[in-house]
Amino acid sequence: DAGITQSPRHKVTETGTPVTLRCHQTENHRYMYWYRQDPGHGLRLIHYSYGVKDTDKGEVSDGYSVSRSKTEDFLLTLESATSSQTSVYFCAISGSGALGQQYFGPGTRLTVT
Amino acid sequence: GIQVEQSPPDLILQEGANSTLRCNFSDSVNNLQWFHQNPWGQLINLFYIPSGTKQNGRLSATTVATERYSLLYISSSQTTDSGVYFCAVAPMTGGGADGLTFGKGTHLIIQP
Repeated sequence: DAGITQSPRHKVTETGTPVTLRCHQTENHRYMYWYRQDPGHGLRLIHYSYGVKDTDKGEVSDGYSVSRSKTEDFLLTLESATSSQTSVYFCAISGSGALGQQYFGPGTRLTVT
Repeated sequence: GIQVEQSPPDLILQEGANSTLRCNFSDSVNNLQWFHQNPWGQLINLFYIPSGTKQNGRLSATTVATERYSLLYISSSQTTDSGVYFCAVAPMTGGGADGLTFGKGTHLIIQP
């Protein structure tokens, strides 16, 4: 158990509203990731972090921002939610450095109406 | 970017059967992992295997890095093996910190 929690687990929001998803880990891992999962696409990387205040963009970063002010928390923000951001969002940590095994949180199902 | 193709996309087997899932990738990698997503959506890391062979119970995996493919073997399938199996890689050209690229998965159904 990699000690990863995500909140909320489910959320329904309206188009144009801001939304923040939280990923919390208990084991001090340096590398953290946000992915989204959509039917027919597998998982795609949104943003990642390699330390406190160190973040970078992934494959599908448009419309998303992230922040990491503490080692244990990695926040994903949708500044103005759109229907195309309806998805399941997964947070992951890398167990031992950048090339380590990745362990995933339980996911957040977000619906934008 | 790197491309990851998994085959077959769907597989239906009877309990007790064996299966082989394949993952082809388009560039050299320094990270390759296999995941199982169960019917409740939970993603479980099965193997970290950028090269070589590993075994864990009824599951084993082999990556032939020079030929750019990996295989996941499931023996004596059980209904609890049902779900989607993902292969994910990171290219050798990257530093490794920038996440994994996933294939679209193999959807496996084990019938009792």
